[in-house]
Parts: sequence; C-alpha cells; structure tokens
Amino acid sequence: AQSVTQLGSHVSVSEGALVLLRCNYSSSVPPYLFWYVQYPNQGLQLLLKYTSAATLVKGINGFEAEFKKSETSFHLTKPSAHMSDAAEYFCAVSEGGTGGFKTIFGAGTRLFVKA
Amino acid sequence: DTAVSQTPKYLVTQMGNDKSIKCEQNLGHDTMYWYKQDSKKFLKIMFSYNNKELIINETVPNRFSPKSPDKAHLNLHINSLELGDSAVYFCASSHKASGELFFGEGSRLTVL
Repeated sequence: AQSVTQLGSHVSVSEGALVLLRCNYSSSVPPYLFWYVQYPNQGLQLLLKYTSAATLVKGINGFEAEFKKSETSFHLTKPSAHMSDAAEYFCAVSEGGTGGFKTIFGAGTRLFVKA
Repeated sequence: DTAVSQTPKYLVTQMGNDKSIKCEQNLGHDTMYWYKQDSKKFLKIMFSYNNKELIINETVPNRFSPKSPDKAHLNLHINSLELGDSAVYFCASSHKASGELFFGEGSRLTVL
C-alpha cells in the first residue's frame, strides 16, 4: 500500500532563505510523485510532478524536487523564500490502476515566511 | 473559465439534514474525485469515477452517495448529516493517463 510522510507540520524560514520541505513515500510499484500547494480558502494546485523521467524536477514559482529512490524521498526545495510562498504544501503519491490513479496525500506542511 | 467548479462554496446546516454538492469540469478529463479535508488539513480520498463508473469507494459511510450523470459532472449527496461531516469537500479531475489532479475551490460544510 502506498503512503506519504511529511516531516514537520510547520516550517518557518526568513525571506530570502532556503526552503526545504521533506517528504518520504512508500509504494509497491514505481510511483508518480507530486507536490501541491494550497493557499488559504483555495483548492490545491500542482507545483511539480515526478513520473519516472528526470530525477530532478523543476516546478512553478522556482520550486524543485529531487526523487531519490534509495532514500524513498522526494523533498521540495526553493533557494530563496518569498513572502508569497507562505502556504500549505502537500506531498502526494499516485499509483495507476485500470480506472485511473489513486492519489494519497501527506498530512501537509505549513510554510511560514518571516520578513 | 473555471476548470473545476463546485457549488455551493459554503453550506451551513443542522444535524440530520440532507445536502448536496455539485461539481463540473470543463477540462475534458475522464476521471473525477471527491476528497474530504478535515480541520487539520488532512486530505482523504472518498470516491473516484471514471467515465461515470465508480472506481474508488474508500470506506465512506453509505450516507454519502456520489452520482456521475456524465463524465463532466460528479455530485455528492449526504444524508442524515452528522457533526463529524463538517469539513471542506474538494472535487478534482484528472486525465486517466496523467495522475495530475485539478481541484475545485472546495465546499465548506458546517453541521451544527
């Protein structure tokens, strides 16, 4: 069965500092991995996805994530935080089936950005 | 044009009532989903439909009944509402081969 663990329910960084949000997954088959962002009172939107191509994935808003199979990790990074990055971030794993994908989400990490 | 739209955005109701949430997507996707997000932001899949066929039903009480009249619409009807049903319900869609989910803005249900 697939599962996702996000380390740290809250992460606080200063504006301009490195952002690192941690995600570990388990999956019985090669997974599809995603990071989504949720701003207050909105739905989730995709930041980036890994689908077995390049292990370093670049997404929107300067975010990127690296798939490390040996560590079963898919950590999200951004070199320099901006105030507008403050939001809830979700790591997710998907496995395909005959009817499509079943996506399981981590518990989320709230990112705070200090001025 | 909104890609995935849900109505209503807010519902406030009494225990024991019945309520429905509607969802429509104009992305041409063949798979639609309902997710429940609780007060701690935890997201749990409830149902998925592929071309009007129920594919995933995740141990949801049978008070919850999804219905997909066509592949662009997925509705959720909830009978005999309970306090624990209070949450934000998200509709999402995806293309069968992609896995990437497109979410609506959510419907916040408050049961008093």
